Amino acid sequence: AAGVIQSPRHLIKEKRETATLKCYPIPRHDTVYWYQQGPGQDPQFLISFYEKMQSDKGSIPDRFSAQQFSDYHSELNMSSLELGDSALYFCASSLVRGYEQYFGPGTRLTVT
Amino acid sequence: GQQLNQSPQSMFIQEGEDVSMNCTSSSIFNTWLWYKQDPGEGPVLLIALYKAGELTSNGRLTAQFGITRKDSFLNISASIPSDVGIYFCAGNSGNTGKLIFGQGTTLQVKP
Repeated sequence: AAGVIQSPRHLIKEKRETATLKCYPIPRHDTVYWYQQGPGQDPQFLISFYEKMQSDKGSIPDRFSAQQFSDYHSELNMSSLELGDSALYFCASSLVRGYEQYFGPGTRLTVT
Repeated sequence: GQQLNQSPQSMFIQEGEDVSMNCTSSSIFNTWLWYKQDPGEGPVLLIALYKAGELTSNGRLTAQFGITRKDSFLNISASIPSDVGIYFCAGNSGNTGKLIFGQGTTLQVKP
């Protein structure tokens, strides 16, 4: 069965640089969620989109932005990167909001 | 904000033993989900619960949605080495699907 696809899987950036993470949801899933997971931590909700509109917003820094495109893929844009942004970033998708969320393999971002 | 308290934080058990972990919250949740995560990988959905009192099984895994809607537990029977990993509970209280995660239970199984 098709799963959530994330790219790139690994990304190394320097402080103050920008990064773009991409997410391709499971086909026919209309809702996309982004989570950030620091070392030894549980995933923290950043932002979600339903039918290409922002649905909910969590603890996402103002330096980050995201959008969902017409083909339902989503991109998380991160600017002015800081050392503390180093983490695993997961995208998840669901067929119906509030129901089962399926996670992608994640993008490991390292900021040096 | 909303918090989920998951316990125990870690478990070290012998292969073949049963395992139980739980999550509690001060808030009501509409949905409880249980995930397993291997290091550096994405969480894998194990069981989803949608109704208070619901008891659901998936192979050797059984989970229940507490009747008060403020707690859930996960049982693993006859553990095997591949059960090793971090188990997270996650709850959703609104209609946007945003998940709140517990702190995780690290399970180690000794062959």
